[in-house]
Amino acid sequence: SAVISQKPSRDICQRGTSLTIQCQVDSQVTMMFWYRQQPGQSLTLIATANQGSEATYESGFVIDKFPISRPNLTFSTLTVSNMSPEDSSIYLCSVLAGFSTDTQYFGPGTRLTVL
Amino acid sequence: SQQGEEDPQALSIQEGENATMNCSYKTSINNLQWYRQNSGRGLVHLILIRSNEREKHSGRLRVTLDTSKKSSSLLITASRAADTASYFCATGRGAQKLVFGQGTRLTINP
Repeated sequence: SAVISQKPSRDICQRGTSLTIQCQVDSQVTMMFWYRQQPGQSLTLIATANQGSEATYESGFVIDKFPISRPNLTFSTLTVSNMSPEDSSIYLCSVLAGFSTDTQYFGPGTRLTVL
Repeated sequence: SQQGEEDPQALSIQEGENATMNCSYKTSINNLQWYRQNSGRGLVHLILIRSNEREKHSGRLRVTLDTSKKSSSLLITASRAADTASYFCATGRGAQKLVFGQGTRLTINP
């Protein structure tokens, strides 16, 4: 399995500001994903982070609000832009470790509170 | 929507008892995965079962899959206090995207 770290682990931000969350994997991975978990809810896929190209967003999520970068096979960032209290959630990255596996491994998450 | 539904939403049992959680989904799948989440932290992968499998074991965990009923169950035997967590099923269908169920909050009472 892959070891995944996220920074920051938690943050409290003011509305209107932006926060960039980092996801680092200890080995090269084929695919990386970003999920959101709103309070008391399940996980919802935001986008697939594509290495060297624009991320693929799910319905209801747009690049202007959640810009994503993936400069290489071990690192990705998610920015939550122009935040509002409704953005308060846990944001998690996940990875597929190889071409022959469907198992997704998740990072520890970033708990974001927007005031 | 392919989103799964889990029941019960919450389950409280005594330590040593078995816990069973169910997951239903709506469309065809390639695989179904179960995850555990402790206190709003990251997800821990428990087990993956493919659409052509009917049952899978891992330690104290047993997962079944019935594709005709579009349902799966997770059984935890001889529960321990450390099993207290939320459990999620997630279905995979193409492009490795996962769709998560709403989760079951399991509490193991000492």
